[in-house]
Amino acid sequence: AQRVTQPEKLLSVFKGAPVELKCNYSYSGSPELFWYVQYSRQRLQLLLRHISRESIKGFTADLNKGETSFHLKKPFAQEEDSAMYYCALAGYSSASKIIFGSGTRLSIRP
Amino acid sequence: EADIYQTPRYLVIGTGKKITLECSQTMGHDKMYWYQQDPGMELHLIHYSYGVNSTEKGDLSSESTVSRIRTEHFPLTLESARPSHTSQYLCASSDSVPQNSPLHFGNGTRLTVT
Repeated sequence: AQRVTQPEKLLSVFKGAPVELKCNYSYSGSPELFWYVQYSRQRLQLLLRHISRESIKGFTADLNKGETSFHLKKPFAQEEDSAMYYCALAGYSSASKIIFGSGTRLSIRP
Repeated sequence: EADIYQTPRYLVIGTGKKITLECSQTMGHDKMYWYQQDPGMELHLIHYSYGVNSTEKGDLSSESTVSRIRTEHFPLTLESARPSHTSQYLCASSDSVPQNSPLHFGNGTRLTVT
């Protein structure tokens, strides 16, 4: 069964500290993985996707097929990174749907 | 401006009432989705559509129904609202090409059934 697991509901770190938001998945095949972000009073929006291999706002995420993980990382947290982060998964068939994890609230302390 | 719009933003309604949550997008996207989200919980897909006259139920069983008569419009209807329907409802849309194009979300409708 397809599933996305984000084990931490809340992650609180100090400004300037490294950040790692965990995401594990289960999927029978090769999925595409995403991170979506929702800042306070804004809409849910795409942050990055693994096929792009980009760094967005200093965040990166590497797909580890052996560990079935797609953790989101940033070396130095900034206060504006405080938000709700959702990991998501989709297959490659035309009928594939995107499923989301339960989200992690990231709080950056000054 | 190309965007996706949801109305109303907030709705408080009594048990047994019929309600329709509106969702419209002006981006020309073929795919549209409805997600249900409780606070601190994951987004659950309740309905999706890959084009006009195409609708499917999502992974989470829902008593709501949807229609897709026009590309830009994807309303969600509850024939008889119950307190268990209290939740946030998010509408989203995406391109068909390329595969797995990013979802564009609306602002959501927060529904409270008393």
